[in-house]
Amino acid sequence: KAGVTQTPRYLIKTRGQQVTLSCSPISGHRSVSWYQQTPGQGLQFLFEYFSETQRNKGNFPGRFSGRQFSNSRSEMNVSTLELGDSALYLCASSLVPLAGGINEQFFGPGTRLTVL
Amino acid sequence: DQQVKQNSPSLSVQEGRISILNCDYTNSMFDYFLWYKKYPAEGPTFLISISSIKDKNEDGRFTVFLNKSAKHLSLHIVPSQPGDSAVYFCAASAPGNTPLVFGKGTRLSVIA
Repeated sequence: KAGVTQTPRYLIKTRGQQVTLSCSPISGHRSVSWYQQTPGQGLQFLFEYFSETQRNKGNFPGRFSGRQFSNSRSEMNVSTLELGDSALYLCASSLVPLAGGINEQFFGPGTRLTVL
Repeated sequence: DQQVKQNSPSLSVQEGRISILNCDYTNSMFDYFLWYKKYPAEGPTFLISISSIKDKNEDGRFTVFLNKSAKHLSLHIVPSQPGDSAVYFCAASAPGNTPLVFGKGTRLSVIA
């Protein structure tokens, strides 16, 4: 069974631009969560989607948005990029919605975004 | 405010010895705790978890201990192997529709 895939793996953008990252969950998984990993803050939850609906959102500005398609693939978008948005963006999928962490998540390798 | 804290950014241990990674939390609503391991250029992978109704959970070389009164958990790896060298994240969650809260991670280096 293929794991979680994320594209692109690396991305370089300049301040003010926007970016779209893609995540394909494990086949059959319907929940997709996004995280931002930075050296200073560790992993921070961005949002979770299940059946094309956002179930949860972390404490990030509105420049960060996402969506999920009917095939469970998900995209996240960051508009008006800032230098501080440079990070590793991780996607994780699970069979069913997160319920207090009990349902195991499987992470993709991440997209490394660099904002210049 | 960091609800899950891993105060040691790095730890170095000799092969064959015990590695102890620590994690503290502040939210008394947390009732489920997990450890993830992350190698470079890969996503985190689930290692071991513990529910708040237990104080210990063991899986092979990995044991997690939970001290609820101190709001502290630790991951013990015995014996440590070079392949254990990775970043370890502690995570916690509260009941219901809540996401995981992760610590900043501890980089473990096991020296042969």
